[in-house]
Amino acid sequence: QKEVEQDPGPLSVPEGAIVSLNCTYSNSAFQYFMWYRQYSRKGPELLMYTYSSGNKEDGRFTAQVDKSSKYISLFIRDSQPSDSATYLCAIPIQGAQKLVFGQGTRLTINP
Amino acid sequence: AAGVIQSPRHLIKEKRETATLKCYPIPRHDTVYWYQQGPGQDPQFLISFYEKMQSDKGSIPDRFSAQQFSDYHSELNMSSLELGDSALYFCASSLAGSWQFFGPGTRLTVL
Repeated sequence: QKEVEQDPGPLSVPEGAIVSLNCTYSNSAFQYFMWYRQYSRKGPELLMYTYSSGNKEDGRFTAQVDKSSKYISLFIRDSQPSDSATYLCAIPIQGAQKLVFGQGTRLTINP
Repeated sequence: AAGVIQSPRHLIKEKRETATLKCYPIPRHDTVYWYQQGPGQDPQFLISFYEKMQSDKGSIPDRFSAQQFSDYHSELNMSSLELGDSALYFCASSLAGSWQFFGPGTRLTVL
């Protein structure tokens, strides 16, 4: 079983919609959870990170962790065409010496 | 703000040739990570260096080697290239194993 699983989509929604992106993970010992955004032909860009359970909000983005179900989510409110990208969840393994990524969800926001 | 620099951005090689990819971390970052991202795949961890010493190793083929130099830049050397080595190669850097910041990547095409 892969350590982090993510539905690759693709996901296409109209502008202004609320987007929900999700990942599941296998090891209950994981503590840090990250979301990266990757535009086509660019490197992944750290969007948000959370520690342990709970929510973290940054503008239109909210990251949520449910440790009881080993489920992490990223919500995008008032989605914009510029949000069109691939979103990757990632978990640092072995004291942050490497990141394990989900498969990435390709998101398209239609004007 | 300064970012991770990778060179070259694009590289085309023939099978069985050798390639060298370079990474210049964000100033004052002491840790460098290499990832390989195949088409439609998530980034896969290859190897990392902390203070010029190898700190972790992932799914890096024996044909590949890497090192970190005294100025903290890193080079990934790839020999006996195979068609399957065609991918995006990302370098990331961090300060003492904290959040990883990715470079723009080198797109390697093996013909």
